[in-house]
Amino acid sequence: DAGITQSPRYKITETGRQVTLMCHQTWSHSYMFWYRQDLGHGLRLIYYSAAADITDKGEVPDGYVVSRSKTENFPLTLESATRSQTSVYFCASSGTETNTEAFFGQGTRLTVV
Amino acid sequence: GENVEQHPSTLSVQEGDSAVIKCTYSDSASNYFPWYKQELGKRPQLIIDIRSNVGEKKDQRIAVTLNKTAKHFSLHITETQPEDSAVYFCAATGFQKLVFGTGTRLLVSP
Repeated sequence: DAGITQSPRYKITETGRQVTLMCHQTWSHSYMFWYRQDLGHGLRLIYYSAAADITDKGEVPDGYVVSRSKTENFPLTLESATRSQTSVYFCASSGTETNTEAFFGQGTRLTVV
Repeated sequence: GENVEQHPSTLSVQEGDSAVIKCTYSDSASNYFPWYKQELGKRPQLIIDIRSNVGEKKDQRIAVTLNKTAKHFSLHITETQPEDSAVYFCAATGFQKLVFGTGTRLLVSP
């Protein structure tokens, strides 16, 4: 599981600030995903990426920006944080096809005050 | 796009009983259906998966069934134990996206 890591693990930020959550994987997996987890909503897909320089929106992309200049990194940026973005964020990666196991990072608990 | 519905949201059973969690999906192109277990404060981890060319798969006390015609799949846990208590997520993927259901909190009482 050390193959995919997220940082920071915990973050408190103020409304309106920009914050970036980092995700790094060492397997050279093609696919990477960002989810947010909120009580009652399960895991909702924010953005995903099929390869470097290829990203696409998921179910709840508004207010978030992603980039993938390198295969191993997939940062998620909240451009202007709002309280509704308080959540636990999980990054995941899977191999060359989506029909293979996705491995999750440890999660980042973000609180927007 | 894909939409996955999961029921029930909460399931309480006695130790030794069986537990069944059901999911439906909307995209007929989906071809991979994993199930994840998430313990409190931990990351989700895969427990079993099934591909669209298979109708049933079993791994010890856990089994998954898939009905492609009806677009639903189910997780079956037999002889439940207290350590099975967790949140379980179903998911479906076809073209690139991996979409999850809303989760089922399973509580196994001794």
